[in-house]
Amino acid sequence: AQSVSQHNHHVILSEAASLELGCNYSYGGTVNLFWYVQYPGQHLQLLLKYFSGDPLVKGIKGFEAEFIKSKFSFNLRKPSVQWSDTAEYFCAVNAYGNNRLAFGKGNQVVVIP
Amino acid sequence: DVKVTQSSRYLVKRTGEKVFLECVQDMDHENMFWYRQDPGLGLRLIYFSYDVKMKEKGDIPEGYSVSREKKERFSLILESASTNQTSMYLCASSSRDRSYSPLHFGNGTRLTVT
Repeated sequence: AQSVSQHNHHVILSEAASLELGCNYSYGGTVNLFWYVQYPGQHLQLLLKYFSGDPLVKGIKGFEAEFIKSKFSFNLRKPSVQWSDTAEYFCAVNAYGNNRLAFGKGNQVVVIP
Repeated sequence: DVKVTQSSRYLVKRTGEKVFLECVQDMDHENMFWYRQDPGLGLRLIYFSYDVKMKEKGDIPEGYSVSREKKERFSLILESASTNQTSMYLCASSSRDRSYSPLHFGNGTRLTVT
């Protein structure tokens, strides 16, 4: 079964700082990769996903993630965060052809105005 | 837009009670999932269903059961609630067409067992 590791569970940064959240997974086969975001008081929603093609994926609100197969990683980045990016971010993975999704433990990100 | 509706936002139950959490989706999705979300533990899969009357155990099925009698509805049942089942419960659905189809989540049910 797949597993997902996210590091630095709590991240605090100031507006305009750059953000990078790490995600590593353990599975040797072809995978689909996702980042979900949960804003305070809201439901989880998809930020971006990778399933094939260009390993650099762009999502909503200026986020991007890069799939590096050799490192089993799918790190999330944003060059300049805003206060409204305060949220919890979850990395998730499933094996290609399998709808069962495994989530990491999440990163709680707080952006200080 | 896909809508996943969980019947209760907050529930308070007593230890030993039988608890039903209901979830309905309106997009004709084949797959439905129940997760629990706990601080520092992320989302853990309890059960999922890929078709009516079909179910598979997730990573933490102990103490839970599920029912899927209709495609749009997926129920989570706590046969005898215990305090360690106090948590946020999230229902989600997705299309079975592609394994990269994203999950659509409900708003969650925060269950407190006293």
